[in-house]
Amino acid sequence: DQQVKQNSPSLSVQEGRISILNCDYTNSMFDYFLWYKKYPAEGPTFLISISSIKDKNEDGRFTVFLNKSAKHLSLHIVPSQPGDSAVYFCAASARGGANSKLTFGKGITLSVRP
Amino acid sequence: DGGITQSPKYLFRKEGQNVTLSCEQNLNHDAMYWYRQDPGQGLRLIYYSQIVNDFQKGDIAEGYSVSREKKESFPLTVTSAQKNPTAFYLCASSMEYYNEQFFGPGTRLTVL
Repeated sequence: DQQVKQNSPSLSVQEGRISILNCDYTNSMFDYFLWYKKYPAEGPTFLISISSIKDKNEDGRFTVFLNKSAKHLSLHIVPSQPGDSAVYFCAASARGGANSKLTFGKGITLSVRP
Repeated sequence: DGGITQSPKYLFRKEGQNVTLSCEQNLNHDAMYWYRQDPGQGLRLIYYSQIVNDFQKGDIAEGYSVSREKKESFPLTVTSAQKNPTAFYLCASSMEYYNEQFFGPGTRLTVL
């Protein structure tokens, strides 16, 4: 049973345009969400996070939106750059709960065309 | 330079042999984790440790074993009981159990 779903395996966008990466979750106990970026044969690097008490968090070109009622979050990258081409993982946790560990989605491969 | 190191980067073993993957961190983090990544599968948790001398099974612990004798070190042994050991293995650590996790560069294990 996949609790964190990234249903689109890949996304291709033009350089300079917006990239929107989506993530859905099923566990209502999740209250903390993270995005990681991963290049091939390297470890993931933390990108941005959001707590369930917020609906938006912004850091430079990266913004994460959270819609708790829909159990949906999205990562916006504006403007997209070729160096953003990587696999993006969505992760979630239930802080302080019995299940306090990160649950990852399967990832989305983003390709930014020059 | 603080960080997480994993060695070696690439590892080859014959089927039926146990192999131990190294993970060291100098971030003074309490919690450490081992994940496995397979193509199209994302990251799956093998084992985690919140504190020295304590660890718990993750989602896919069968065929693996760990130890946590020092805060800085969390080695993973892939035993001959693991049916599909060929994968990319990632170690991570965090300051508290549920905070952002920082990952090492990974070890690619290939069992021939």
